[in-house]
Amino acid sequence: GAVVSQHPSWVICKSGTSVKIECRSLDFQATTMFWYRQFPKQSLMLMATSNEGSKATYEQGVEKDKFLINHASLTLSTLTVTSAHPEDSSFYICSARDRYLSGANVLTFGAGSRLTVL
Amino acid sequence: AQSVAQPEDQVNVAEGNPLTVKCTYSVSGNPYLFWYVQYPNRGLQFLLKYITGDNLVKGSYGFEAEFNKSQTSFHLKKPSALVSDSALYFCAVSLYNNNDMRFGAGTRLTVKP
Repeated sequence: GAVVSQHPSWVICKSGTSVKIECRSLDFQATTMFWYRQFPKQSLMLMATSNEGSKATYEQGVEKDKFLINHASLTLSTLTVTSAHPEDSSFYICSARDRYLSGANVLTFGAGSRLTVL
Repeated sequence: AQSVAQPEDQVNVAEGNPLTVKCTYSVSGNPYLFWYVQYPNRGLQFLLKYITGDNLVKGSYGFEAEFNKSQTSFHLKKPSALVSDSALYFCAVSLYNNNDMRFGAGTRLTVKP
């Protein structure tokens, strides 16, 4: 079945540094990927929609200059948290949609990346 | 915009008993409804979905859900709970093509032996 790989699974960084998280679709092509943020004991909040070859679409309240998204190929989207601060600590999850499936197909989710900013 | 409500933060059941995790939705149009399960420090795993057709949808691991249009509900059910079913369950709704999937707050299911 469809698999989405996220890397790294865990990352700890110092305040002020930037962290890149990768989301890869391993056995399918994804023109659209989604990035979510999940706080402890809370639901997933959609941060942005990543579109291959074009700019990402950010949800209201999400700073696009802080959360840089790049979708340079049909199998890879990256989320870069720039100048990270402790309040950016969270669980980040991506999902991908197979380009050859239309309608209300099922999204495939990555295993998530836990970011801790010291 | 569409939204989902999961009225229970926590559901506790004994192993072998039936379980129900509740979900109600609000959309302006025909909803596409989903259930996902999340284990600690993991992403979401798809359980089942309702698009159209039979209101009773069967999914993975013996779970099923019933779409009730009049009550705008999509409750998740399982006839006999297992300890391994203990996890966080999310209901989600979208319109047409998943570009705007909205998740409920999640319900933590605990199945005790």
